[in-house]
Amino acid sequence: DAGITQSPRYKITETGRQVTLMCHQTWSHSYMFWYRQDLGHGLRLIYYSAAADITDKGEVPDGYVVSRSKTENFPLTLESATRSQTSVYFCASSDRGLNQPQHFGDGTRLSIL
Amino acid sequence: SQQGEEDPQALSIQEGENATMNCSYKTSINNLQWYRQNSGRGLVHLILIRSNEREKHSGRLRVTLDTSKKSSSLLITASRAADTASYFCATYSSGNTPLVFGKGTRLSVIA
Repeated sequence: DAGITQSPRYKITETGRQVTLMCHQTWSHSYMFWYRQDLGHGLRLIYYSAAADITDKGEVPDGYVVSRSKTENFPLTLESATRSQTSVYFCASSDRGLNQPQHFGDGTRLSIL
Repeated sequence: SQQGEEDPQALSIQEGENATMNCSYKTSINNLQWYRQNSGRGLVHLILIRSNEREKHSGRLRVTLDTSKKSSSLLITASRAADTASYFCATYSSGNTPLVFGKGTRLSVIA
């Protein structure tokens, strides 16, 4: 089924561990985004990418790493997880430009103990 | 930091009533978008209104934009229980600045 898929849907890990969240889209959209959603903060942009091998920092990039070797994949890595990174993470994509509507995955709920 | 600020934070209405949510923003925009988020799901794009537009309709949705007041409103007419969700506005300013989302309004429609 076409769309944007995030995996895993739920993840529990411990502080200090590395964890990678996966995002895959089947539309060949140029732009991809990673957000975190926390109570009281709404949706905050972590990183985004305009095309393969092009990434830019968003509002809250510290502690996260992204890569985009293929157009359809945009993994997000927490190199050394901290409790403050407990959140729901959303991946999104858009075609044609930063001003265009975004299509979201259903999120990964990440808990760091 | 948030550009758009939704008001109210939460809204509870009876089925069949109209629901109005507002979004205020701080700097000039190119367009403003509204999204819906059902519990446990990702955001879904509803409607986009450009800075030179004043009103836009899509089914039971009506969006207005007042650039002089830096505000937008989303009206859902004849609400249904299925409209229960959080609603977010997102603003696009210019150039290489991505969309900035507000914190959302939680709408509960009671049957």
